[in-house]
Amino acid sequence: AQSVTQLGSHVSVSEGALVLLRCNYSSSVPPYLFWYVQYPNQGLQLLLKYTTGATLVKGINGFEAEFKKSETSFHLTKPSAHMSDAAEYFCAVNNAGGTSYGKLTFGQGTILTVHP
Amino acid sequence: EPEVTQTPSHQVTQMGQEVILRCVPISNHLYFYWYRQILGQKVEFLVSFYNNEISEKSEIFDDQFSVERPDGSNFTLKIRSTKLEDSAMYFCASSDQGWAGNTIYFGEGSWLTVV
Repeated sequence: AQSVTQLGSHVSVSEGALVLLRCNYSSSVPPYLFWYVQYPNQGLQLLLKYTTGATLVKGINGFEAEFKKSETSFHLTKPSAHMSDAAEYFCAVNNAGGTSYGKLTFGQGTILTVHP
Repeated sequence: EPEVTQTPSHQVTQMGQEVILRCVPISNHLYFYWYRQILGQKVEFLVSFYNNEISEKSEIFDDQFSVERPDGSNFTLKIRSTKLEDSAMYFCASSDQGWAGNTIYFGEGSWLTVV
């Protein structure tokens, strides 16, 4: 079984400040990890993902995440927040093979607010 | 950029009525999915579909639910007799490959309200 926990349902930062959104997962096998973003009235958009290889993954809009197996974490960061980063962010995991390829397990989401 | 499109964006229906949610996946994608998000809860997997048959379904996806690819472009989710607890945002998604690390592309969602 796999599960995802996102610490903090709401995170508020000032424009220009560091963004840190936390994600921890549980998985019985090596996971594939994803961060999706949902802007108001839009669908889920992939920010970045980790499958294999380099544990520091860079995504769109200046975001990056680091896979830390020892901590079972995949935290999302951005050095300097922009007003346009205000959205809801979802961490997801998939580690199943066979016919379960599309079965993402999501965290509960973190709403990011950016203050001027 | 290609995208998954869903209709309707919002539907209100009476309890017990049938609902069909429609989706047009990205044109070269072969793997299709439905997810849902009940207000205040996590996004949950419902079903995956490939080669005109269900690949996997969750325990949520009971006999009240069905999926179909009626033609070469549409993918539908039917709820036969809606219940209050079916009120949720339903996301259609698609991907070009069937492996667990592949990117799944989501639509904007169809918000279903059952009254």
